[in-house]
Amino acid sequence: GQQLNQSPQSMFIQEGEDVSMNCTSSSIFNTWLWYKQDPGEGPVLLIALYKAGELTSNGRLTAQFGITRKDSFLNISASIPSDVGIYFCAGQLWTSYGKLTFGQGTILTVHP
Amino acid sequence: GAVVSQHPSRVICKSGTSVKIECRSLDFQATTMFWYRQFPKQSLMLMATSNEGSKATYEQGVEKDKFLINHASLTLSTLTVTSAHPEDSSFYICSAPDREGVYNEQFFGPGTRLTVL
Repeated sequence: GQQLNQSPQSMFIQEGEDVSMNCTSSSIFNTWLWYKQDPGEGPVLLIALYKAGELTSNGRLTAQFGITRKDSFLNISASIPSDVGIYFCAGQLWTSYGKLTFGQGTILTVHP
Repeated sequence: GAVVSQHPSRVICKSGTSVKIECRSLDFQATTMFWYRQFPKQSLMLMATSNEGSKATYEQGVEKDKFLINHASLTLSTLTVTSAHPEDSSFYICSAPDREGVYNEQFFGPGTRLTVL
């Protein structure tokens, strides 16, 4: 099925640094979601975006829904070791009855 | 947020056996649930949509006779991997949208690690 283009594929950063990752699509979505997955666990919802141009924060996380509806980014400020994991973006259409299209994921490693 | 559980968390079976995985929504009703498959270091790939009271809808390339889905109630969907083979070894994850919520947010189960010997 269709996938979103998520970048970067992996990041190695020092604790305290800021992180930015993004997703782009050739088609529009009505909803953009960002999930974090720890090893051996299911994805956990971090931020959900419902309106084009929307900027939403959740603690140290900030995400934006692109104005064209075809992209989104996630920023993590002042990273800490527990931020380690795989981050996925996902897009959803209102007409898809809940189906999500996932990006390839960004593997984040934080060095203390 | 809403809670989705899966059972078992991991299973090891011999080739040729069938394995059943349960997905439950614990504090909300889910008329629809989704089943995903994830290989190591890869993204989640949607396998099928489980619909309470009707047949599941499978994504292109997913064998419906191989992966049997039954949505027995508003809180339970099961995925049965029939005649499992080593290539079926994977991480299987279910999700359910909380339609009672404002935005139908989707919540994921913790996943089931299937290893076929």
